[in-house]
Amino acid sequence: AQSVTQLDSQVPVFEEAPVELRCNYSSSVSVYLFWYVQYPNQGLQLLLKYLSGSTLVESINGFEAEFNKSQTSFHLRKPSVHISDTAEYFCAVTSPYSGGGADGLTFGKGTHLIIQP
Amino acid sequence: DAGITQSPRYKITETGRQVTLMCHQTWSHSYMFWYRQDLGHGLRLIYYSAAADITDKGEVPDGYVVSRSKTENFPLTLESATRSQTSVYFCASSESGGARGSPLHFGNGTRLTVT
Repeated sequence: AQSVTQLDSQVPVFEEAPVELRCNYSSSVSVYLFWYVQYPNQGLQLLLKYLSGSTLVESINGFEAEFNKSQTSFHLRKPSVHISDTAEYFCAVTSPYSGGGADGLTFGKGTHLIIQP
Repeated sequence: DAGITQSPRYKITETGRQVTLMCHQTWSHSYMFWYRQDLGHGLRLIYYSAAADITDKGEVPDGYVVSRSKTENFPLTLESATRSQTSVYFCASSESGGARGSPLHFGNGTRLTVT
């Protein structure tokens, strides 16, 4: 079984400041890791993912996340946030060895990123 | 337009009534999923389907029924709605299931209120 912990339910930050959203996972096997973003009144959208290879992955809108196997973490960072980044962010984990269905994809409870002008 | 659409966007129903939430995708993805989103619980899987005529329970299936007679449609039925089923429901699809690294594509959700 695997699990995801997003320690912060809300993260307030001023515009143009850096931000880090924390994600820790628990799994006894190798993992695939994802960050999804949910803007108000919308569904979730994939922000970035780690499957293999380089441990640092980037999104097209300036976010990046680093897979740290020793610390079982996949924290999301952005050096300078914008008002438009206000959203709910979900970390998710699955494994190449899972059954193949959604029972292998586990979501964290989400972090609400609040950008203050 | 290609994508995944849910209907209705908003629904108010009374306790005990049957209600069906619709989900349609145009990608011909094999996998489809229903989640509910509640404050403090994040996303919880209700049911999923690996292909037409193949469905399986998720984390919180009680009180819900699904069917998948066609690849593109995956309706979710609440047989006798209860107040605890007041939630936002999301449908999603995936090319090959989360376990193979394929991302999920979500609809915009249905906000259901049971009075």
